[in-house]
Amino acid sequence: QQQVKQSPQSLIVQKGGISIINCAYENTAFDYFPWYQQFPGKGPALLIAIRPDVSEKKEGRFTISFNKSAKQFSLHIMDSQPGDSATYFCAASYMYSGGGADGLTFGKGTHLIIQP
Amino acid sequence: NAGVTQTPKFQVLKTGQSMTLQCAQDMNHNSMYWYRQDPGMGLRLIYYSASEGTTDKGEVPNGYNVSRLNKREFSLRLESAAPSQTSVYFCASTFDRDLEAFFGQGTRLTVV
Repeated sequence: QQQVKQSPQSLIVQKGGISIINCAYENTAFDYFPWYQQFPGKGPALLIAIRPDVSEKKEGRFTISFNKSAKQFSLHIMDSQPGDSATYFCAASYMYSGGGADGLTFGKGTHLIIQP
Repeated sequence: NAGVTQTPKFQVLKTGQSMTLQCAQDMNHNSMYWYRQDPGMGLRLIYYSASEGTTDKGEVPNGYNVSRLNKREFSLRLESAAPSQTSVYFCASTFDRDLEAFFGQGTRLTVV
């Protein structure tokens, strides 16, 4: 059972355009929703994250939109640049009451290509 | 500040051989994790350690064992490698009150 579903699998966007990647989750206990960016040959790196008490979070050109009732969240990349070409993963987790977590549940990833 | 360091970076094993993947973090994090990444599958959790002295199974633990040697180090062992274990393995760590996971550079393992 896949707990976090990500789409699309691949995406091509023109430079300057908006890239949108969507994720849906099933476990209502999740309370932390990060997006990771991965370049070839590297480990994933945190891009931006959101908790369910807000509906949107923006950091520079990157925005997470969160819809708790629909159990969906999405990543928007504004003014997409060739340097944004990478694989993006959404993920979800929850924090124990005493701190810590039992790991992230990842979506399957989106391969994003920004064409010059 | 090295962050999360994994060794080796590349390894080729024959079916049935054993090996240990090493991971060390220098950020004083309490929790450490092992994931495997396969094409089109995202990252899947193998084992994790919420604190020194504890380990727990993740989504895909079969064929693996782990050891939390101390707060800094968390190793992953393949006792009898199988071709299905060909993958890229990532170690990660988090601080208790902040769920941001820091990942190593990965170990690309091929089992022939």
